Amino acid sequence: KNQVEQSPQSLIILEGKNCTLQCNYTVSPFSNLRWYKQDTGRGPVSLTIMTFSENTKSNGRYTATLDADTKQSSLHITASQLSDSASYICVVSANDYKLSFGAGTTVTVRA
Amino acid sequence: DTEVTQTPKHLVMGMTNKKSLKCEQHMGHRAMYWYKQKAKKPPELMFVYSYEKLSINESVPSRFSPECPNSSLLNLHLHALQPEDSALYLCASSHPNGRGAYSTDTQYFGPGTRLTVL
Repeated sequence: KNQVEQSPQSLIILEGKNCTLQCNYTVSPFSNLRWYKQDTGRGPVSLTIMTFSENTKSNGRYTATLDADTKQSSLHITASQLSDSASYICVVSANDYKLSFGAGTTVTVRA
Repeated sequence: DTEVTQTPKHLVMGMTNKKSLKCEQHMGHRAMYWYKQKAKKPPELMFVYSYEKLSINESVPSRFSPECPNSSLLNLHLHALQPEDSALYLCASSHPNGRGAYSTDTQYFGPGTRLTVL
């Protein structure tokens, strides 16, 4: 069964600090991995997408890493801002129509 | 334009009502999706349309009826819903690849419709 597990479930950080979110997956065969940001009551917005051959991808203050051998990914947020408060979802796709969603990590940034 | 729009933003309906959710994109995507998302849970796929034809129905109850009038529009018709159907309904679109594996390209999500069934 294809699964995506994220940790931690939630975290609270002070504005300006960095944090790292983790994603482990068992999806096979692997096509790509995406990180989405979802504000409460809104649709997910794509932050990064990585294929098998990519190790790192950045989007502003967001940097995602991928280790396809260990089936792990991380999302690093640098110099957090209040607007970073959201749920971050790891989404993995195999070579079919269905995406496998993680349960998400809820990030709260406090002033 | 990388935007998927959904209307209405909020909808409250009774169990005997008939209503419709609408989704629109102008990115030239030929794959469109409906998802249902309960609070603090990941989205669950409901339907996939590819080239305006229903390709995937994830065993969704018949009280949900999708429709794709053209390549830019996707509707979800609702009838005789139950309170447990209350959720955020998300529409998404993407390019399908030539082999019909719809998920290999980035899916762009709309803001969702918050549905409450009384």
